[in-house]
Amino acid sequence: EAGVAQSPRYKIIEKRQSVAFWCNPISGHATLYWYQQILGQGPKLLIQFQNNGVVDDSQLPKDRFSAERLKGVDSTLKIQPAKLEDSAVYLCASSHGGQGRTEAFFGQGTRLTVV
Amino acid sequence: SQELEQSPQSLIVQEGKNLTINCTSSKTLYGLYWYKQKYGEGLIFLMMLQKGGEEKSHEKITAKLDEKKQQSSLHITASQPSHAGIYLCGADITSYDKVIFGPGTSLSVIP
Repeated sequence: EAGVAQSPRYKIIEKRQSVAFWCNPISGHATLYWYQQILGQGPKLLIQFQNNGVVDDSQLPKDRFSAERLKGVDSTLKIQPAKLEDSAVYLCASSHGGQGRTEAFFGQGTRLTVV
Repeated sequence: SQELEQSPQSLIVQEGKNLTINCTSSKTLYGLYWYKQKYGEGLIFLMMLQKGGEEKSHEKITAKLDEKKQQSSLHITASQPSHAGIYLCGADITSYDKVIFGPGTSLSVIP
């Protein structure tokens, strides 16, 4: 079974530039998460999708971050414009999301450096 | 303050020693997950606990859930260098699978 795919693996941009990350979840997984992990900290949930609908985006800085999951499969996370404090690893995860709780599977992440 | 706390923050043990990592939630737990992360990599799922008193083991790692205390512990028996990494507890604190994470515990195992 293929895992969660993310791209790119690394990205370096200047502040005020824009950047987009892509995630392809495990086939059939209804729930998709985007997390931000700053060095030395645990992952912070940015947004959670159930199919193509947003379940929770309470921690997403909506003035600069946006995310979409068209057709309930792939997802993109965008930052526009980027700030120095956005430097972090952005992790995508997916879970089955059906009845009963199941674990989330994580991608390798995208390491963003804003200079 | 964090909704999920972990202790200790970091741990250095001699190979062969036992160790315990704790996770405490300030909110009701609907599910508790343990993950391991190597530097620069994604999270690897270890175990999921859902019911109070539940205990699960995989190889030399055992996790327990104390639902009343909103706590979980992860115990490693006879640690090995391969156990080194960051251990993260994740918790579902809602009815809709919203999973948040603690700050992590960094484990080093000295041969």
